[in-house]
Amino acid sequence: QSVLTQPPSVSAAPGQSVTISCSGSSSNIGNNYVSWYQQLPGTAPKLLIYDSNKRPSGIPDRFSGSKSGTSATLGITGLQTGDEADYYCGTWDSSLSAVIFGGGTRLTVL
Amino acid sequence: EVQLVESGGGLVKPGGSLRLSCAVSGFTFSSYTMNWVRQAPGKGLEWVSSIDSSSNYIYYADSVKGRFTISRDYAKDSLFLQMNSLRADDTAVYYCARMAPGGWDLDYWGQGTLVTVSS
Repeated sequence: QSVLTQPPSVSAAPGQSVTISCSGSSSNIGNNYVSWYQQLPGTAPKLLIYDSNKRPSGIPDRFSGSKSGTSATLGITGLQTGDEADYYCGTWDSSLSAVIFGGGTRLTVL
Repeated sequence: EVQLVESGGGLVKPGGSLRLSCAVSGFTFSSYTMNWVRQAPGKGLEWVSSIDSSSNYIYYADSVKGRFTISRDYAKDSLFLQMNSLRADDTAVYYCARMAPGGWDLDYWGQGTLVTVSS
């Protein structure tokens, strides 16, 4: 059972948009920035969003992040088949003194 | 170009030990907090341990506390994870990851090394 809660799966058609939620508490998301990671099949995770809403260089603006209170959201627009991957949210938990991740959400582009 | 290359994984019996290494290049190793993150087969990401740039602050997940030791060698630009008293549920791909300054973001990851604990 992960400290951060994500839906196990989401799906949408190519060209459409999707959001992935990440719910936490005041000891983690409520007081820290959130990161999002994309893990394509058989590869290492890659940083997609940092500081809750910033994109590293090279990440297309189809990907966006937001945070409100103790929840965060990853948005993806203009879905492509290449976006099929597992997506994880992550942050620091001040009570646990630990980096924590959500359980991951598998995105299927139908 | 930032690179992180893990090594040292393999098959080990329950109760055994293994030492993982992560050789880095392309950045000033001594300036960054480094981490180990693992992923059991078919499962999600689990953070294992962090060591800050000066080795003064070290953190472990409860699941490995007392059994695993993180360390770094500044002369060799390398990160290590000494794993003792290994259990079947330690079976996973182990990734080393760099933490971006000023936050908790893991901005660069290695390709991972597989550790299998089985008799």
